[in-house]
Formats: sequence, C-alpha cells, structure tokens
Amino acid sequence: QKEVEQNSGPLSVPEGAIASLNCTYSDRGSQSFFWYRQYSGKSPELIMFIYSNGDKEDGRFTAQLNKASQYVSLLIRDSQPSDSATYLCAVNVDTGNQFYFGTGTSLTVIP
Amino acid sequence: DVKVTQSSRYLVKRTGEKVFLECVQDMDHENMFWYRQDPGLGLRLIYFSYDVKMKEKGDIPEGYSVSREKKERFSLILESASTNQTSMYLCASSFGQASYGYTFGSGTRLTVV
Repeated sequence: QKEVEQNSGPLSVPEGAIASLNCTYSDRGSQSFFWYRQYSGKSPELIMFIYSNGDKEDGRFTAQLNKASQYVSLLIRDSQPSDSATYLCAVNVDTGNQFYFGTGTSLTVIP
Repeated sequence: DVKVTQSSRYLVKRTGEKVFLECVQDMDHENMFWYRQDPGLGLRLIYFSYDVKMKEKGDIPEGYSVSREKKERFSLILESASTNQTSMYLCASSFGQASYGYTFGSGTRLTVV
C-alpha cells in the first residue's frame, strides 16, 4: 500500500520565522515529489517539485529530499501571514501518472 | 496558463438524484482525474483517465462512474446521490508522465440532502 504521511498540525510560527513541513512515504519506488498549497475553500496549487536527493530552492521555499530515509520536507523562510494555508505533500510512483497525497499540514503564520 | 474548469462551484442535490459534475481543461492534457476531499481523509482518487474513452478505477469508485468522450472533458456521475457523497470534488489534469504535477480545477462543493 502506498502511504504518504504528514503531521496534520496545526503548526504555528511567528512572522519572519522558518516554517518546516515534513512528509514521509512508504513506497521506495517513488520517483517525484510535490508540494501543494491549499487555502481554505480553494483548490490546491503547486508550489514546488523535486526529483533528486538534496535541496531545491525557489525564492523563500526550499524542498529537501532524502530517498534513503523516504523523507521529503518543505522549508518556508521569512514566513508571511499570507503563507497561512494547508500544505499537501504528493508522491508520484513510477508505475503510472497517479499521485498519492498526504492529508496535509495546517500552517498558521502569526503576525 | 493551464485552465481546468469545473462547471459548478456549489451544488445542492437530493438523495437519489443522478448528479453530473463536469470538468474541462484547455491544454490538451492526456490525463484527467477526479478526487474527493474530506476533512481528516485528504484527497482520495475516485476515477482517472489517460485517454479518450478510457477510464480506470481509483481508490473509492463505488457509487460513481465517469465519461470521457472528448480529450478535454471528463465527467463524474453520481448514479444515485447519497448523503455520504457530500464532499468537495476536485478535478485535475496533467501532461504525459505528470513530471510537472497536476493542475486542479476550482472544485465543486456538493451537498446531498
């Protein structure tokens, strides 16, 4: 069974701090990893993807992947109140185009 | 900009009604998906399609069917709506091996009374 686990939170950080969101997955055949942001009442929007071990940076966001530990994380630097949302981790296994989603971590950035 | 359009933002239907949820994408994506999202359960895949007239069951297909007669349109059908099908329904599409992830529609909040 393919499982993607996230701490549901809520995670609260003060404005300007680093928010760290974590995700583990069960299938070692997983090939690509995605982070989506979902504001309340809205649909998910893609913010980052990563395929290779290590770090990938895009502005204030950094995705980190460790395939040996089956662990992917998202760091948000200089957190802003507008970052308050639920963050979904998604994993694509090589057997097809289907993604498996975690249940999401709720982040609140306190002004 | 890739657009995935879901025909209704909010729907209220009665138990036993046949319900159609429509999804249209404008970027010639091969793959289309229907998910439902419920608090604490996350996104669960109902059905997906890799090509016209092709469909595959996801994790929770019971009580649902789909139709894909044209590449750009993927319809979800609730044969006889029940209260446990009250949920947010999300359509998504992707190109090829989905290397760049899905694009989601804005969602349909369905309430069955």
